[in-house]
Formats: sequence, structure tokens, C-alpha cells
Amino acid sequence: QKEVEQNSGPLSVPEGAIASLNCTYSDRGSQSFFWYRQYSGKSPELIMFIYSNGDKEDGRFTAQLNKASQYVSLLIRDSQPSDSATYLCAAYNTDKLIFGTGTRLQVFP
Amino acid sequence: EAQVTQNPRYLITVTGKKLTVTCSQNMNHEYMSWYRQDPGLGLRQIYYSMNVEVTDKGDVPEGYKVSRKEKRNFPLILESPSPNQTSLYFCASTPTGLNTEAFFGQGTRLTVV
Repeated sequence: QKEVEQNSGPLSVPEGAIASLNCTYSDRGSQSFFWYRQYSGKSPELIMFIYSNGDKEDGRFTAQLNKASQYVSLLIRDSQPSDSATYLCAAYNTDKLIFGTGTRLQVFP
Repeated sequence: EAQVTQNPRYLITVTGKKLTVTCSQNMNHEYMSWYRQDPGLGLRQIYYSMNVEVTDKGDVPEGYKVSRKEKRNFPLILESPSPNQTSLYFCASTPTGLNTEAFFGQGTRLTVV
């Protein structure tokens, strides 16, 4: 069973801090990885995707991929209360996209 | 505005009463899929369609049917709903396959009593 594992949280961080969200995956053939944000009662929306080992930055967000360790992370710098949501990690391999159960992030003022 | 539209947003029904959840996208996407989201289980794909008249089972297809007669529409049909189909359902579309950004509908919260 191919899996994507995430700590359910909640991860609580103060406003302005760095939030670090982690994800591990079991399928070594996974080719690309996605981070979606889902506000309570809303639909998921894409934050970032990453294909290659290393870091990818987009504004306050940085995705990190380590294929050898089968590990993906999302860093959110200068966290804001509006970042409070559930973050879903997903791994893609050959027409299969497997989602993790998500990590709930709480940013408190 | 580019969007995926699902209806209804909320539905309470009784066991065995057939229902249809509609999904429509206006982005000319080829690939559409249905997911259910349950606490502790995450998003799981029910069915998908790679193009008109082409549909296939996802990971949890039992108890569901779909059709893709037009590119923009991808309805989800529950012929005889059961309480274990109580869930939050999302329709999603992508330009081609799954290895790209998915655009999700607003969700349909279904309760089967």
C-alpha cells in the first residue's frame, strides 16, 4: 500500500515564526510532490509543487525534497494567522496521486 | 472566472435513494476526477476521466458510478447510497493528468441516514 504520512498536528506557531511541515512517502518511484492548503470547510488549493531534489522557493513558502530519504517538507516563513489551515502533501507516480491526511497548522497572534 | 462547480453543497438523504452530484468545469480540462475526504483517511480518488467517454476506477469506486458525455461535466451517481458513503466529496479537474495542479470544486457534504 503506497502511503504518504503526515503528522496530523496541530502544529502551533506564533505569528512571524517559521512553520515547518513534514511529509514522508513510501513509493520510491514517486516523481513529483504537491502541497495543498485547505481551510476549514473549503476545498484544497495548490501552494507549491516540487520535482527535483533540493529547495524550491515561492514568496514565503519553501518546499524541500529529499528523494533518498523519501521526505518532503514545506517551510512557511513569517507565518500569519491567515496561514492557519490544514496542509495536504501529495505524491505523484504514473497516474496515481496519493494524498496524506494533512497537518493542521495554527498560527497565533 | 475559471472554476469547478459542484452541486449541491449539502445533501442529506436516506439509504437506498438514488442521487446525483453534479460537477462542471469551464477551463476546457481533459482530466476530471472525484474524491472523497474522510477524517483520518485523507483524500481518496473514487473515479476519474481522461476525456469524453473515457472513465476508470480510482481507489474506492464501490457504490459509485460516473459518466462523461461532455468535456465540461462529470456527474457522480450513487445508485443506492448507504451510511458508509457519508463523506465530503470533491470534484477536481486538471488540464491533462494528475501530475499538475488540480482545481477543486467547493465540495459536497453528503449525509446518508
